[in-house]
Amino acid sequence: SQQGEEDPQALSIQEGENATMNCSYKTSINNLQWYRQNSGRGLVHLILIRSNEREKHSGRLRVTLDTSKKSSSLLITASRAADTASYFCATDALNTDKLIFGTGTRLQVFP
Amino acid sequence: DAGVIQSPRHEVTEMGQEVTLRCKPISGHDYLFWYRQTMMRGLELLIYFNNNVPIDDSGMPEDRFSAKMPNASFSTLKIQPSEPRDSAVYFCASSLVAGGNTEAFFGQGTRLTVV
Repeated sequence: SQQGEEDPQALSIQEGENATMNCSYKTSINNLQWYRQNSGRGLVHLILIRSNEREKHSGRLRVTLDTSKKSSSLLITASRAADTASYFCATDALNTDKLIFGTGTRLQVFP
Repeated sequence: DAGVIQSPRHEVTEMGQEVTLRCKPISGHDYLFWYRQTMMRGLELLIYFNNNVPIDDSGMPEDRFSAKMPNASFSTLKIQPSEPRDSAVYFCASSLVAGGNTEAFFGQGTRLTVV
């Protein structure tokens, strides 16, 4: 079964706007990761945030983690058409080596 | 390193036939994961290995599915006999350490169509 649920399922924005995607998960975790998948391709890692961290930045990406609410958000600032892809959160539950993925958010950025 | 390599990229087979998907992980990575992706069920973890040993196969849908990792550089996922509902994209991923502690590297996937 899936650990994470992303919200929204789909998001359409104009270039230059910010995109925010949310992820909720069910059980306590060690780490949470975000991945990107272009159509027809494999997943590519974007960023990892540990359970004792609350916020992390990487370029135009900002990730937050609220372990009390079992939720995370991914913010892409100043979006570009090339950001068009599906975005997934992935978590590892405590006492397990499994990496479980959420349902994903399909992001469309229009030029 | 060329990354995680999967073969074939596409496979079309008839119902009832045996299908074997192959994966070469990144050298030095101790963990290997097999996932299946469909529109209906998303990305499902089928099985994962640590140092070539299967650790958790609870995601394998049926006895028709089996996976092996005979050495650190090769793994197979076999479906026998195949059914149309097995049609999906199958991904292999590897990571240096335990699943969530570091990034996982994905192959390009094998798109399986069972007719």
